Amino acid sequence: GDSVTQMEGPVTLSEEAFLTINCTYTATGYPSLFWYVQYPGEGLQLLLKATKADDKGSNKGFEATYRKETTSFHLEKGSVQVSDSAVYFCALSDRSGGSNYKLTFGKGTLLTVNP
Amino acid sequence: NAGVTQTPKFRVLKTGQSMTLLCAQDMNHEYMYWYRQDPGMGLRLIHYSVGEGTTAKGEVPDGYNVSRLKKQNFLLGLESAAPSQTSVYFCASRVGLGPTGELFFGEGSRLTVL
Repeated sequence: GDSVTQMEGPVTLSEEAFLTINCTYTATGYPSLFWYVQYPGEGLQLLLKATKADDKGSNKGFEATYRKETTSFHLEKGSVQVSDSAVYFCALSDRSGGSNYKLTFGKGTLLTVNP
Repeated sequence: NAGVTQTPKFRVLKTGQSMTLLCAQDMNHEYMYWYRQDPGMGLRLIHYSVGEGTTAKGEVPDGYNVSRLKKQNFLLGLESAAPSQTSVYFCASRVGLGPTGELFFGEGSRLTVL
């Protein structure tokens, strides 16, 4: 079945540091890939997505590139801010007919950015 | 803009009690989902619905029932609560067919079963 593996957290960085959160996936079909973010006390919200190989999703300074050859979708940001402190979830949506396009989530990575 | 609204936001139950969580969305979305979030486990799909009057089991359906009598509402029921059902529950919706659609989440309902 489909699965998503994220790097274990928590991740603690200083403001303006470079961020990478690794994500790899296993899927039977040709999935779409997503990063969701959950700020403290809130629900998840979409951060960025990519729907085909070599696509780059970007938003709020975050980027991730859909790498089919390495089955990866790593999240990066060049200079993090305190306001980026949150839990980040990698997810995939399989296109195979029987899945009804359910999203499969990774376990989440807690990011804390210190001033 | 309401989006996805969950009620109640907090609830404490005793083992064996029953309760219903209500999810309401005002975006005319076809697909609705119930997830539970537990530490170290990420989000796990409980049940989902692909349209009014339909429901289907997800990854962890045991101990839960759902109903989608109206397109805008998706109810999650616990008939006999157990401590293992202590969790944060999230409802989500998406517009419909196609794998690229964004999921919109509610703010969550924190349930404690004593």
